[in-house]
Amino acid sequence: DVKVTQSSRYLVKRTGEKVFLECVQDMDHENMFWYRQDPGLGLRLIYFSYDVKMKEKGDIPEGYSVSREKKERFSLILESASTNQTSMYLCASSPNRSGNTIYFGEGSWLTVV
Amino acid sequence: TQLLEQSPQFLSIQEGENLTVYCNSSSVFSSLQWYRQEPGEGPVLLVTVVTGGEVKKLKRLTFQFGDARKDSSLHITAAQPGDTGLYLCAGATGANNLFFGTGTRLTVIP
Repeated sequence: DVKVTQSSRYLVKRTGEKVFLECVQDMDHENMFWYRQDPGLGLRLIYFSYDVKMKEKGDIPEGYSVSREKKERFSLILESASTNQTSMYLCASSPNRSGNTIYFGEGSWLTVV
Repeated sequence: TQLLEQSPQFLSIQEGENLTVYCNSSSVFSSLQWYRQEPGEGPVLLVTVVTGGEVKKLKRLTFQFGDARKDSSLHITAAQPGDTGLYLCAGATGANNLFFGTGTRLTVIP
């Protein structure tokens, strides 16, 4: 089975703190994604990466950055957390072929106070 | 941004009833996926449909992709409490582009 593991399930951070969300996948997938999920807004793509050291902006990249130094690991960084970044963050991966099935992690609940 | 509209947004039914949820767009997709998400968990893939008009069955769940590949439906027969969750459709337009609907939150009451 594909395994996408997010390192933290629940975090509480203060406004202005730097936050790292880590994600690891064990299926040698080329593509990795970070989404946030908010009630009424569905899943919105923040960033994705299709290869090591490559990254592409999604729909809502403002306030976020990412890092992909190794194929299996994709990190989401909030340089200075704000309360409007309180959300559920979902990491996902997929193989690089059309009809892409995306496999999700369990999610990280971030609360910024 | 592609727009995928799901309806209804919320659905609460009694165990044993049938239901259908819809996923509609003005865009054409190369494939469409359905996911179910339980509270506190990430979405889990249920099915991928690729061909216009395609019908796939997964036990009591029937998925259909529209002929024009712009819409899809999910029909559940004899719903059970274990079917409770958020159902998400997602349309693919290329190798790396997947657009999600806002979801249908289903509650099945025992």
